[in-house]
Amino acid sequence: GENVEQHPSTLSVQEGDSAVIKCTYSDSASNYFPWYKQELGKRPQLIIDIRSNMDKRQGQRVTVLLNKTVKHLSLQIAATQPGDSAVYFCAERGDDKIIFGKGTRLHILP
Amino acid sequence: GAGVSQSPSNKVTEKGKDVELRCDPISGHTALYWYRQSLGQGLEFLIYFQGNSAPDKSGLPSDRFSAERTGGSVSTLTIQRTQQEDSAVYLCASSEGWSADTQYFGPGTRLTVL
Repeated sequence: GENVEQHPSTLSVQEGDSAVIKCTYSDSASNYFPWYKQELGKRPQLIIDIRSNMDKRQGQRVTVLLNKTVKHLSLQIAATQPGDSAVYFCAERGDDKIIFGKGTRLHILP
Repeated sequence: GAGVSQSPSNKVTEKGKDVELRCDPISGHTALYWYRQSLGQGLEFLIYFQGNSAPDKSGLPSDRFSAERTGGSVSTLTIQRTQQEDSAVYLCASSEGWSADTQYFGPGTRLTVL
């Protein structure tokens, strides 16, 4: 069936270090891959995304990589800060569906 | 302008009752999405509307769930004969269109079925 596998489910990182979250998606026809951040008790917010015609996209401290050959996605957060503590979700969007990963709970340790 | 709003923010109901959840998208957004998020879980995509039309309803968990959108704006998600496993936060989002990148989420409706 269609699913997005995301790991790790929980990640603890020392403040200032990098965090990497990985996803594997199933539908080769998916053309858009957003990443959302959800802080405790709040709504999800888009932090970065990538389309299928790209293999890398960079934001301020975030980088997303896409390997369409093996259907892998990754999110790297550099120089982590306490405010990065949240749950992060990857997703794939195809024709009529959006499928989310189960999320990674990121803890930034002081 | 205003973001996506949802009502009610919290709903407690008894098993077997029907509930109706409402979503007001951002003005001008033609695409509207419904998701369900169970405690500590990811986002489960339920359905999306492009205008008033829902191209694919297969994401709805059962035939007790239905959704409609009229006038290309407000949408309602109806759950009939609620069950305890329906307890979750129901999130609505909207975007300029299905192909638009950014979805803006509402605050959600927390549904508790006793």
